[in-house]
Amino acid sequence: GDSVTQMEGPVTLSEEAFLTINCTYTATGYPSLFWYVQYPGEGLQLLLKATKADDKGSNKGFEATYRKETTSFHLEKGSVQVSDSAVYFCAHSPTTGANNLFFGTGTRLTVIP
Amino acid sequence: NAGVTQTPKFRVLKTGQSMTLLCAQDMNHEYMYWYRQDPGMGLRLIHYSVGEGTTAKGEVPDGYNVSRLKKQNFLLGLESAAPSQTSVYFCASYDWGYTFGSGTRLTVV
Repeated sequence: GDSVTQMEGPVTLSEEAFLTINCTYTATGYPSLFWYVQYPGEGLQLLLKATKADDKGSNKGFEATYRKETTSFHLEKGSVQVSDSAVYFCAHSPTTGANNLFFGTGTRLTVIP
Repeated sequence: NAGVTQTPKFRVLKTGQSMTLLCAQDMNHEYMYWYRQDPGMGLRLIHYSVGEGTTAKGEVPDGYNVSRLKKQNFLLGLESAAPSQTSVYFCASYDWGYTFGSGTRLTVV
């Protein structure tokens, strides 16, 4: 069935370090792919998305490319900041049915000065 | 434009008590969802609705009921709360994109 496998956390990085959070998915058809971010005490905010193969989503210096051949959507940022400390969720949405999101377990990122 | 509003934000229940969580959206979205978030498990779908008057079960529906009498409101009910229902609950709506509420933190003691 549909699922998302996300890199286990927590991840601790120094400021300006390179970030990669791995995400792979299992789905039928051609789902849309998402990264959501949750800051402490808040709800989920859409960080970026991609709707078809080879699309690159980007926002606030974060990027992820829809790789159909490897069913992956890895999140990257070249230089993290303390303000990027949050929990990051990879998700996908099927192209049919209820359009609900399937989430990974989340990866907690802490950036230290 | 408030988006998706959840009430209450926090609640503590005793085992066996009942309560209703309210989700309200002002974007005229057809689809609405209730998720629960538990440590190490991401968000899991409880129930969803594809339009006014319709509801359907998600991944973890047991112990919950829902109603969508008005398009803008999606209610999640716990008839007899159990400690296993301690969680953070998120409502979301969907049209061409998803909008999430800020969550309800529920503790059942």
